[in-house]
Amino acid sequence: DQQVKQNSPSLSVQEGRISILNCDYTNSMFDYFLWYKKYPAEGPTFLISISSIKDKNEDGRFTVFLNKSAKHLSLHIVPSQPGDSAVYFCAATTSGSARQLTFGSGTQLTVLP
Amino acid sequence: SAVISQKPSRDICQRGTSLTIQCQVDSQVTMMFWYRQQPGQSLTLIATANQGSEATYESGFVIDKFPISRPNLTFSTLTVSNMSPEDSSIYLCSVGGIRVGAKNIQYFGAGTRLSVL
Repeated sequence: DQQVKQNSPSLSVQEGRISILNCDYTNSMFDYFLWYKKYPAEGPTFLISISSIKDKNEDGRFTVFLNKSAKHLSLHIVPSQPGDSAVYFCAATTSGSARQLTFGSGTQLTVLP
Repeated sequence: SAVISQKPSRDICQRGTSLTIQCQVDSQVTMMFWYRQQPGQSLTLIATANQGSEATYESGFVIDKFPISRPNLTFSTLTVSNMSPEDSSIYLCSVGGIRVGAKNIQYFGAGTRLSVL
């Protein structure tokens, strides 16, 4: 049973527009969520995180929104740049400890120039 | 942040052989983990590498198949034993519990891309 789901395997966006990547989870014990970006032949790179006590966290062009009642989070990238083209993974953990991350299957974002 | 060096970056191996993957961190860390990413799949946690004691394996992974060593707080190895083509994956080392302000972040190595013929 997949506890963290990213239902869109791919997304294409025009440069300068907003990219919205979605993630759903089923385990109500999850209380800390992270987004990672992965380029080919590299390991995942931490992007942004959010604790369940918040509903929004912003870092530059990246904003993560958390809707606990819907068990849904999303990553917004504004404005999107060609260098943002990568696979984005949503991950979740319990107790905010960054132990044992449970990952979604990833979304390939392509930003078109 | 932590700088994680993983070796080898890739390998092609014959069925029935074993491969040991090394993970070196530039600072002492409490938690080290090993993940697997099968083709087209997400990252799956194999085990937590415990310093000075046996690793803690996740459901579906066993020590005989994936023996792990962690002799100190900066180094760990994962061995993929008696390989079959189904073991073809990317294997990733990560370190966790690193606080950056209020964040608690897990950092990853670049991974080892394994192909088993």
